[in-house]
Amino acid sequence: GAVVSQHPSRVICKSGTSVKIECRSLDFQATTMFWYRQFPKQSLMLMATSNEGSKATYEQGVEKDKFLINHASLTLSTLTVTSAHPEDSSFYICSASLTGAEQYFGPGTRLTVT
Amino acid sequence: QQQVKQSPQSLIVQKGGISIINCAYENTAFDYFPWYQQFPGKGPALLIAINPDVSEKKEGRFTISFNKSAKQFSLHIMDSQPGDSATYFCAASRNGGTSYGKLTFGQGTILTVHP
Repeated sequence: GAVVSQHPSRVICKSGTSVKIECRSLDFQATTMFWYRQFPKQSLMLMATSNEGSKATYEQGVEKDKFLINHASLTLSTLTVTSAHPEDSSFYICSASLTGAEQYFGPGTRLTVT
Repeated sequence: QQQVKQSPQSLIVQKGGISIINCAYENTAFDYFPWYQQFPGKGPALLIAINPDVSEKKEGRFTISFNKSAKQFSLHIMDSQPGDSATYFCAASRNGGTSYGKLTFGQGTILTVHP
C-alpha cells in the first residue's frame, strides 16, 4: 500500500516552454501533498504544500507564479513549471500524506531545460 | 531552529557490519522522526519512523535510537548488505499548527557497503 506515482519520469523541454508534472496517490486518498526539489548530491528542499481544494502554500523563496500547483482531487496534484529556464533543471519529487505525519514519495521527475 | 544536522556525510562499511548514522535537531516541537532511503534517480522510501514517546524502535535490521534530552536520534543498520548502499536521510516534523506535516530533512549520508 501507500503507492505514489509521478508522470512523466523524465522530460526535456526548451527554454521558455511550460512543463506539467502529475503526482497521484494510487491506493489512498491524500489529505496533503508536498512538492520537493532536489539537486544532485543534495537533500530535498520543500517547495510547497497543497491540500485538496485550496491554494498551495509556498515556501519562502519559491515563486508561486512560476511553479503553479493544482490539487484537483484527493489523489491528484500537478506542478506546472512555467516559462522554464535551464536553472529550473532539477529532480522534482512529490509526496502524499494521509495523516499528515507519514509521507510517501513518488519516484521523481527529472526535468532538463535546454 | 528548523535545522536537522546529519552525520557522517559518507560512510563505508563492510558486508555484515553495523552502519550508524546520526542526526541532531534543535526544535523541541518536532514530534515525528522518520528515516528515508533513496537510490540514485529514485524517490525516497520510508524506512522506519519514531515519535518522542519511545527511546528505540526496531524493524528487521533497522533500529532507530532516540535521545530526547540530547535532541539526537540515530539509525543503526545491522548486518549491512551491499544492497543497502544508498543515500539515507533523517527528517523531522511537527504535526500541529501551520507546520503540519512539513518535513525538515538532514543533509543525507551516502552509505557504501563493500562485499
